[in-house]
Amino acid sequence: DGGITQSPKYLFRKEGQNVTLSCEQNLNHDAMYWYRQDPGQGLRLIYYSQIVNDFQKGDIAEGYSVSREKKESFPLTVTSAQKNPTAFYLCASSIGVGLANFTGELFFGEGSRLTVL
Amino acid sequence: QQQVKQSPQSLIVQKGGISIINCAYENTAFDYFPWYQQFPGKGPALLIAIRPDVSEKKEGRFTISFNKSAKQFSLHIMDSQPGDSATYFCAASYLGGYQKVTFGTGTKLQVIP
Repeated sequence: DGGITQSPKYLFRKEGQNVTLSCEQNLNHDAMYWYRQDPGQGLRLIYYSQIVNDFQKGDIAEGYSVSREKKESFPLTVTSAQKNPTAFYLCASSIGVGLANFTGELFFGEGSRLTVL
Repeated sequence: QQQVKQSPQSLIVQKGGISIINCAYENTAFDYFPWYQQFPGKGPALLIAIRPDVSEKKEGRFTISFNKSAKQFSLHIMDSQPGDSATYFCAASYLGGYQKVTFGTGTKLQVIP
């Protein structure tokens, strides 16, 4: 089955620690995204990548870092510089912008819930 | 100018009733307006979407109404069912360039028997 796999589903972190959230997709999508979801605030874009080895900051990139070394993978690191990291993190992908079959639809994983103790 | 305002924040509807969720946007460059449905502990999934060249789109019990002049769009769920209980997000984006999606703040819908 094609889809997006996020791991771990739940993660606990002590203050001052960096953690990395995994996101893998087998949809052959060019574009990948990381969103943060907080109650009452919708989904806010952290980082996005339209192609391998290239990524751009979203609206709330401070305290986060990403890499895109493979088309299938887009891991997110939550660093100790992120002041309020407790949240639900969602990875998404889409067909690349500009392709003939681009529809604008985002395909989401099931999320990773990070709690800082 | 990138905001999408969504209301209400929560909604309780009786089974068989009509659920209505409203959204308003400011950026007139937006040309794609999707609605996503999210069940607890899951990621959102596309429910229905509309382009601004039509005023209404219907898929089964779900209908998007779009008012370009007022910069508003809404989701109507007819004959609401308990299985429709979820959080609904409206969104807007511009498909011409990089497709940055701006999401509303979400509406938690509860359909009671």
